[in-house]
Formats: sequence, C-alpha cells, structure tokens
Amino acid sequence: QVQLVQSGAEVKEPGASVKVSCKASGYTFTGPWLHWVRQAPGQGLEWMGWINTNSGDPNYAQKFQGRVTMTRDTSITTAYMELSRLGSDDTAVYYCARGIAAAGAKYFDYWGQGALVTVSS
Amino acid sequence: DIQMTQSPSSLSASVGDRVTITCRASQSISTYLNWYQQKPGKAPKLLIYGASKLQSGVPSRFSGSGSGTDFTLTISTLQPEDFATYYCQQSYSIPRTFGQGTKLEVK
Repeated sequence: QVQLVQSGAEVKEPGASVKVSCKASGYTFTGPWLHWVRQAPGQGLEWMGWINTNSGDPNYAQKFQGRVTMTRDTSITTAYMELSRLGSDDTAVYYCARGIAAAGAKYFDYWGQGALVTVSS
Repeated sequence: DIQMTQSPSSLSASVGDRVTITCRASQSISTYLNWYQQKPGKAPKLLIYGASKLQSGVPSRFSGSGSGTDFTLTISTLQPEDFATYYCQQSYSIPRTFGQGTKLEVK
C-alpha cells in the first residue's frame, strides 16, 4: 500500500534551516511527483512546490523562491524539503503529498503524516 | 495567482442533514478542482478530484459538481464522522492554491 512517512518534529531557532524528509513506499517512486504543503497553526493549507521525482527538477512557489530546496534520493525513495532563514511565521506542519495527473485531473491522493516545525528562540 | 474562496467559512449541521459547500475561483479553472477533508491533527484526505470524480474508498454520500469558476461539494446525508474541515484546491495552474476552508460543526 502507498505510504509517505515523514521525519519527526523539529524545533529551530530563528535564522536556522530545517530539512524534512518524506519516505515513499508501495509504488514506483519515480512516477508521481511529490509536493510539499504547509499549514500554520489554526490556518489553511499553503502549497510550497513540487519535485519531479524522475528528473529531480523542482518547481517552487514564488513566495519561497531562494529559501526552499527540494531534492530526492531515488536509491532510498525519499524526498526532502529544506527551508532556510526560518522565521516565526514558518512555524507550521509540513506535509508531503503525492501528485497524480490522470484523466484530465491533477490531485494529491496520498499525504504524509506531517512534520511539525517550531521556530522559537 | 488564482484565488479560491469558499463559503461558508463555518457551518453548523446535524446528523442526517444535506450539506452544501461552495468554492469560487477568481478565474476559470475548467474542472481542475479538488476537495479534501481534514480532521484535527490529521493530514488532508482526498474526497473529490476533477470537480466531480469520487476518490476510491470515499462514501457515495459525497459528491462534487461545477466547472469554470463555481463548484460545490455536497454531503447527501451527514454522518458523525463527517464533522471536519473541508478545503477546495485548484490544480489548473501554478501555484496550486486552496480555499480558506469550511469548518463543519455539530449543531
């Protein structure tokens, strides 16, 4: 069965970086792209970007350009999202989600369990 | 960016009720519209994709409709496990954007 298992919670100081992992299993890793979505406490969902798991090419939301790096390691079927220069407004749960494009639709069919990143001094 | 606006932001209903949530896009997105359900402390769960296609395993009481800029999610007969927050999301263009959410609460 398809599973996306993320790394654990992190506490970081302002200005630091965080790297969240997303281990995929149960399907061909280099097929669907992996997206990253975050959710601040009590807030809605915000798309951050995707990584083409086949080529490794990323596509970032403009808001995060220059501050986010998405990579993958096909040998261990794991994707990573690194966010630098953290501020308090980066405190959020970060999700990875599998992106499917088929039959004229594009959607996120499986999600990781989320990784809470807390930015605090 | 395409703005997605849901209404209402919150909704009180009872088990057995028929519930409708609407989502409006700031420009036409054809049928590139998805609906997710999220319960507290959990990841979102896909309910409807392509505006009207029911994701495998999702109960048939959930249905979606619409195209262009106006979309609806309907729960035909509300069950206790349906109290949650619902999000629409457009996949027509980058960046992918979500509605602000509709919190469905027990009346």
